[in-house]
Order: sequence, then C-alpha cells, then structure tokens
Amino acid sequence: NAGVTQTPKFRILKIGQSMTLQCTQDMNHNYMYWYRQDPGMGLKLIYYSVGAGITDKGEVPNGYNVSRSTTEDFPLRLELAAPSQTSVYFCASSGGLAGRNEQYFGPGTRLTVT
Amino acid sequence: QQPVQSPQAVILREGEDAVINCSSSKALYSVHWYRQKHGEAPVFLMILLKGGEQKGHEKISASFNEKKQQSSLYLTASQLSYSGTYFCGTEGRGGADGLTFGKGTHLIIQP
Repeated sequence: NAGVTQTPKFRILKIGQSMTLQCTQDMNHNYMYWYRQDPGMGLKLIYYSVGAGITDKGEVPNGYNVSRSTTEDFPLRLELAAPSQTSVYFCASSGGLAGRNEQYFGPGTRLTVT
Repeated sequence: QQPVQSPQAVILREGEDAVINCSSSKALYSVHWYRQKHGEAPVFLMILLKGGEQKGHEKISASFNEKKQQSSLYLTASQLSYSGTYFCGTEGRGGADGLTFGKGTHLIIQP
C-alpha cells in the first residue's frame, strides 16, 4: 500500500513554462485535494475533487487547473508559470468528507519558478 | 477565514509539557490537528468533532470548546520525536472542500 504518491519531487521551471504535477492514491478514496505551502505559512487549498469527474476551486485556484478522470489520479496543471507559484505542493486524499476524516498527504513536490 | 494559532513557537526540554491553541472567528464543526517535520508531509494527529466525538491517536490529547470556537492540543512529557510544526485545520463550507489551516506552531524539544 503506497498511499499517496507525487511526482516529481523537485522541479525548476522558467517563467511562462507549463507543467503537470502528478498525484496518485491507491486507497480508493473519493476525496482528493491539492494544497500549496509557502514558507512560514500553513497549507492553502488550490482545488479539490469529491469523485471522478467532479472538481471544484479552493481558496487559491488562479493559475492552476485540475482534472479527475479516475478515482486514483488527480493531476494539477500549471499554465504559464510565475514566480509567485514557487512553493511546495501537497496532494492529499480522504475516505470521506474532509471535515470528518483523516487526510493522507503525499510527500510533496518542491517547485521553483525563475 | 484562517484559524489563529498560539504560540507561534515553543522551545521545551524533554519531559516538559506544552499546550498549543487554535481559535477561529467562525462557527466550527470540527478541528483537525497535524504535525509536520521539516521537509516532510503533514501527518494526521486528531480530529475533534462537534458533539464531543474524537478520532485520532491515543497518545495525543486535545480539547474542543464549540462555544468559544477554540481547540487546544496538549503534549505531555514531551519527547524529542514531538519536534516539528503543528497545524490546526478547520473544515470548509460544506465539509467536503478541504481544510483551512493555521500558520502553524513550531515546537522544538531539546534533550
């Protein structure tokens, strides 16, 4: 049982480039989330999904897109990368409503945009 | 709205106790606690639900005052492994849309 896996672990992008952060979970969880964490700050929700084919915006969705074609995968797309998107990105999943269930986090992707 | 945590940082000797507080300006239905070590992912500690239900690790103690919209995490007889940053999280609008986390409390345990 691998839990939540994320790739890549590290990435450096040039301004204006695009990339996809991959997230996969093997726990058959319907609920999945993308957070970003800036230094000294808590995690901020970017997008979330309550099941395959259903996604919605979180607190800081601008500059990002997501898709959920399967229960297992929840990729995050960065279009036209900007320095403000330099952050650590965490994917998480839960077996039920976020408010009432433990969230399992992936190891994170550290992204630098220069 | 982001919950407010206090203190921002704590330095303890091994064996000492600590209390970390979390307060919100909005009505809370649940409070979550996570610990994150440097360079690692957050790890679940506990959920406290409105009505008194708790889910989490037996060795962790916490309280949830629904009327005051506050929660406290109690770390007793601290061990070196307790070091890290502790985050409280509150649920979103409908309970499904992720958590809103505080800025964290940095805990350093010295031998």
